[in-house]
Amino acid sequence: KQEVTQIPAALSVPEGENLVLNCSFTDSAIYNLQWFRQDPGKGLTSLLLIQSSQREQTSGRLNASLDKSSGRSTLYIAASQPGDSATYLCAVRATSGSRLTFGEGTQLTVNP
Amino acid sequence: NAGVTQTPKFRVLKTGQSMTLLCAQDMNHEYMYWYRQDPGMGLRLIHYSVGEGTTAKGEVPDGYNVSRLKKQNFLLGLESAAPSQTSVYFCASSPDRGNYEQYFGPGTRLTVT
Repeated sequence: KQEVTQIPAALSVPEGENLVLNCSFTDSAIYNLQWFRQDPGKGLTSLLLIQSSQREQTSGRLNASLDKSSGRSTLYIAASQPGDSATYLCAVRATSGSRLTFGEGTQLTVNP
Repeated sequence: NAGVTQTPKFRVLKTGQSMTLLCAQDMNHEYMYWYRQDPGMGLRLIHYSVGEGTTAKGEVPDGYNVSRLKKQNFLLGLESAAPSQTSVYFCASSPDRGNYEQYFGPGTRLTVT
């Protein structure tokens, strides 16, 4: 059974710092991996989707990498801002059309 | 373009009562999903649909029923609510084949007393 772990559960950084959020998964045979952002009391917003054949995806100040062989993905946030404060979740899909398995998320606080 | 909307936003039920949560999407997506989010458990898939008129069980389907009579709507029903169904419920949708990004609604916070 696929398990997705995100460590740390919470992270607090000063504004302007570059930071890395981690996601690990137990079964390396994945189809794709997706990073989401969740603001308090809100739904999830998709940030980046990485297919299994890709090594990384970039969107603005965000860069997500994927290392299937080691069962890891990282989300790099450059020049963090207070508006980046949210919970970040990763989710993996085992095969084409299968369901997503979610991690519990990392709660990020960026202090002004 | 409203994306994915959910009705209601909040609801309190007594044990044994029934209710229906409505999810609507205006993106013409084929796939729709119902999740529940609980502290320490993350998001878990309840039921999903791969197209109008179809439904399938997810990871935690017991105590819930769903219907997809129209492509844009996906309904989640609780026939006899239990305190264990206290949770935040999220609906999501995605384009064909379900391998693309999933788009989520704002959630429904349900409390069963």
